[in-house]
Amino acid sequence: SQQGEEDPQALSIQEGENATMNCSYKTSINNLQWYRQNSGRGLVHLILIRSNEREKHSGRLRVTLDTSKKSSSLLITASRAADTASYFCATADYGQNFVFGPGTRLSVLP
Amino acid sequence: EAQVTQNPRYLITVTGKKLTVTCSQNMNHEYMSWYRQDPGLGLRQIYYSMNVEVTDKGDVPEGYKVSRKEKRNFPLILESPSPNQTSLYFCASSLQEFYEQYFGPGTRLTVT
Repeated sequence: SQQGEEDPQALSIQEGENATMNCSYKTSINNLQWYRQNSGRGLVHLILIRSNEREKHSGRLRVTLDTSKKSSSLLITASRAADTASYFCATADYGQNFVFGPGTRLSVLP
Repeated sequence: EAQVTQNPRYLITVTGKKLTVTCSQNMNHEYMSWYRQDPGLGLRQIYYSMNVEVTDKGDVPEGYKVSRKEKRNFPLILESPSPNQTSLYFCASSLQEFYEQYFGPGTRLTVT
């Protein structure tokens, strides 16, 4: 079953701008994770936020989690062309293990 | 170097011909998992394993088998592949359930 749903499906911005992606999910979770994928390659883990956390930072990444709304957002600040990739949220939930959404395709134009 | 390896990376086969995709990790991880990725559908979990000899079905297990006889290896077996199993397959491992996952480079499978 599809749990994590990213929004928007595609996003195009200029270098230096901020990019925000959202993720919604349906069940109770242990944590929520964001991954990045470059052109059909393996996914790379970006950040993990636990269900009892509300916000987390890692370099230019900021993730928020609202368990009451069952939603999360990923903010990439000061985007670079190298940030061009697909971004996936994955929920680690009790009983279903990891469930990935369809992803947001981010294009950062130089 | 800590990594997850998959072989082969590319495979073209015919309907019904049994195949195995190998997956190996060198990080002593307990949890391993297989996913398939199809356009517009994201990654869907096929099978996962929490430890040696412990495997369980994910969201789309039909037509697949797995085994976990050693901690480091988690092969994916397609006993009678069909064209609807044409996809990009990823193996992943993590220290334990719910931890961050490390992904292999992917295996692109085409079944004709």
